[in-house]
Amino acid sequence: QQQVKQSPQSLIVQKGGISIINCAYENTAFDYFPWYQQFPGKGPALLIAIRPDVSEKKEGRFTISFNKSAKQFSLHIMDSQPGDSATYFCAASLYNNAGNMLTFGGGTRLMVKP
Amino acid sequence: EAQVTQNPRYLITVTGKKLTVTCSQNMNHEYMSWYRQDPGLGLRQIYYSMNVEVTDKGDVPEGYKVSRKEKRNFPLILESPSPNQTSLYFCASSLHQTDLAFFGQGTRLTVV
Repeated sequence: QQQVKQSPQSLIVQKGGISIINCAYENTAFDYFPWYQQFPGKGPALLIAIRPDVSEKKEGRFTISFNKSAKQFSLHIMDSQPGDSATYFCAASLYNNAGNMLTFGGGTRLMVKP
Repeated sequence: EAQVTQNPRYLITVTGKKLTVTCSQNMNHEYMSWYRQDPGLGLRQIYYSMNVEVTDKGDVPEGYKVSRKEKRNFPLILESPSPNQTSLYFCASSLHQTDLAFFGQGTRLTVV
């Protein structure tokens, strides 16, 4: 059972445009929501993250919007650049005595055309 | 240089032959975890650990074991590998829950 659903699977955006990736979760016990960026042949890298008590977080061109009542969150990439072309994963974290149980979405392959 | 080091990077093995993928971090991080990445399925957590001798199952623990005898090392053990464990594996570490930042380079495992 996939607890975090991510859409779209792939996205093509023109340079300078806005890229939007959406995620929905089911488990209301999740307490932290990170986004990762992965380039081919590399491991994922933490991009930006948000706690459920915050509705929006912005870091440079990257913004997370969080809707707790709808159990949805999204990543917005403003002024998208060709260098942003990568696969993006949303995730949801559940912290317990053993550490972080992290559930990922299926990923979105973003291509930014010059 | 701060890093998470996995070995080997590539491995082809046969069904049933026990193997260990090592993971070591040099940042004194408390949190470590293992993931597998498969096309169309994204990343799935196998096991995680918040400190020495403290581990727990993630989403897909079947067929895997881990140990955390030292803070810096978190090996992944496949006692009897099967073809459905062919995948790309990542180890990760972080200092706090909110870091979740450092991933290794990945280990591509093929079980035939």
